[in-house]
This record gives sequence, C-alpha cells and structure tokens, in this order.
Amino acid sequence: EVQLVESGGGLVQPGGSLRLSCAASDFTFTDFWMTWVRQTPGKGLEWVANIKQDGTDTYYMDSVKGRFTISRDNAKNSLYLQMNSLRAEDTAMYYCARGRFVSGWYPDYFDYWGQGALVSVSS
Amino acid sequence: QSALAQPRSVSGSPGQSVTISCTGTSSDVGRFNYVSWYQQHPAKAPKLMIYGVITRPSGVPDRFSGSKSGNTASLTISGLQAEDEADYYCCSYAGSYTYVFGTGTEVTVL
Repeated sequence: EVQLVESGGGLVQPGGSLRLSCAASDFTFTDFWMTWVRQTPGKGLEWVANIKQDGTDTYYMDSVKGRFTISRDNAKNSLYLQMNSLRAEDTAMYYCARGRFVSGWYPDYFDYWGQGALVSVSS
Repeated sequence: QSALAQPRSVSGSPGQSVTISCTGTSSDVGRFNYVSWYQQHPAKAPKLMIYGVITRPSGVPDRFSGSKSGNTASLTISGLQAEDEADYYCCSYAGSYTYVFGTGTEVTVL
C-alpha cells in the first residue's frame, strides 16, 4: 500500500523558516509528480506546489512564489517543502500527495495523501 | 482564484441519496473535465473518491458517482451509509498549472 509520511512541522515565528519532508514508500517514486496541499480551518484545502518526476519542473500557488521551494530526492524517495518568510496565513496542515493525470502530462488529481504536518506561524 | 462553491452541509437518512454541488466558472470546472472529489473523515487525510469528473478509483463503492453540467460538478451518494458521514471537497484543474478546491461540504447521516 502506498505510504506518504510527512514530518518537520512545528511552531515558528513570523518571518521564520521551516522545512517539511515527506517520505514515500511502496511505489516507484520516480514515476510520479508529487504535490503539497495545505488545509486551514478558514480557507479549506489549497494546492501549494507541484514537482515533476525528475525535479526539473516546479509550479506554485501565487501567494507562496518566491518564499516556498518544492524539491525531491529520488535516491531517498523523499519530497520536501522549504518554507521561508513565513506568515500567519501560512498556518495550516500540510499534506503531501501523489499526482496523477487522466491524459496529457500534468497532474489533474491526487490519488494518495499523507497524514499531514501541522505548521503554526505565530509570535 | 476563488474557491469552488459547495453547500456547507447536506444530510440524509441511511439508504437515501444526497447530491453535493460544486460550482466554479468557465475558467475551471466549465473548461476542463478534470474535476476530482475527496472524502475526509475527522483528523484523517483526504481520500480520492472520483477523478476525471466521473471515474471511480478501484475500491471506491459504486454508490459514489460524479457528473458535470456547465460550470457545476456534482457528487451523488446513493444508498447513504453511516460510514459516508464525512467532509467532501471537490477540486478542479484551473489552467496555468494551478488547481482550485471547493469550500467543502459536511455530509451528515441522520
């Protein structure tokens, strides 16, 4: 069974940094796009970023561009999200998910999700 | 991008059918046949229930079905069961390599 396990969440002050990790297992990691999605009580689910199988292409939601960086280490079957210049509105549960597509080359749905890592940004 | 509009809550008795709507725009739901639906039980990760508007992944009961008309997608649960009580979110590809999720609907089994 596909497993995705996030880690690295915690409490950080505004302006601070945090790095989330997602350990993947029981599937061929290099065959899939990977994704970060966050969930807040106020805004619900929000897509954050995608990364291509080989890490050469990345895409971000507007509000995190220039602050967040998605990356992966295929040798370690791991996905990362480096979050800098954190703001209160970044407070959320962050999920990593596996991206799939019906046709074409870019994901249009997410078939497996991890349990999430909680990030709280507060002074 | 604004979140896709879903009713805050729907409810039904066991065995009944409920339908959750997901209203977007001609730039997302109306433009692409890439609507997916996710079920989320409290403190659990979202689970994929429908993708490509109408397709059920293996293992999802056939009482779950999806459809789309214009800018509105729908998820129907036929023969409601107690374990279907959860939050449900729709999601659409929105172009320019981005996605938009719905506001979420709480399904209550009476």
